[in-house]
Amino acid sequence: GAVVSQHPSRVICKSGTSVKIECRSLDFQATTMFWYRQFPKQSLMLMATSNEGSKATYEQGVEKDKFLINHASLTLSTLTVTSAHPEDSSFYICSARDQQGAGNQPQHFGDGTRLSIL
Amino acid sequence: GEDVEQSLFLSVREGDSSVINCTYTDSSSTYLYWYKQEPGAGLQLLTYIFSNMDMKQDQRLTVLLNKKDKHLSLRIADTQTGDSAIYFCAETSGGYQKVTFGTGTKLQVIP
Repeated sequence: GAVVSQHPSRVICKSGTSVKIECRSLDFQATTMFWYRQFPKQSLMLMATSNEGSKATYEQGVEKDKFLINHASLTLSTLTVTSAHPEDSSFYICSARDQQGAGNQPQHFGDGTRLSIL
Repeated sequence: GEDVEQSLFLSVREGDSSVINCTYTDSSSTYLYWYKQEPGAGLQLLTYIFSNMDMKQDQRLTVLLNKKDKHLSLRIADTQTGDSAIYFCAETSGGYQKVTFGTGTKLQVIP
């Protein structure tokens, strides 16, 4: 079935570093992918919608210059946390859906990236 | 905007059935999902149901949808300790497919 791969699974880095997270759809093409953020013991909040070949759409309150999204191909979206600070420490998860598949396809999620900024 | 609500905690004994409830507000919801998240892990899709369905059963899992009341439930039969996790109800509507998550229900299974 449809699988979404997210890499890396865990990152620990110093404040001021930029971190790139990759989200790949392994056996389907996705013109749209979504990026979510989850704070400890909380639900997932949509950060932005990644659109292949065009600019990402950001949710209210999410800084687009802080969280750079690139969706250069139909199977890959990247989220770059620029100049990361401790408050950016969180669990980031991407999702994608097989829009070309038969019938109604659900959203599939990556395994998430746990980002810790020291 | 869309809103999805769940109770925060449920405790059951091993072997009993668990029922996790969810309510949502978006009357145009098309797909409703149940995801499982174990500690420190990502999201695992358990099952999903289309809004034109009332019930879906998959092995130990039964999903019931009351579209009139905008109420969704997940029943886990013969609950095992490995079922201990946080369960998220979620919904999408229209072609946009943005997923709105509930607050999550932490299921504790007592041996």
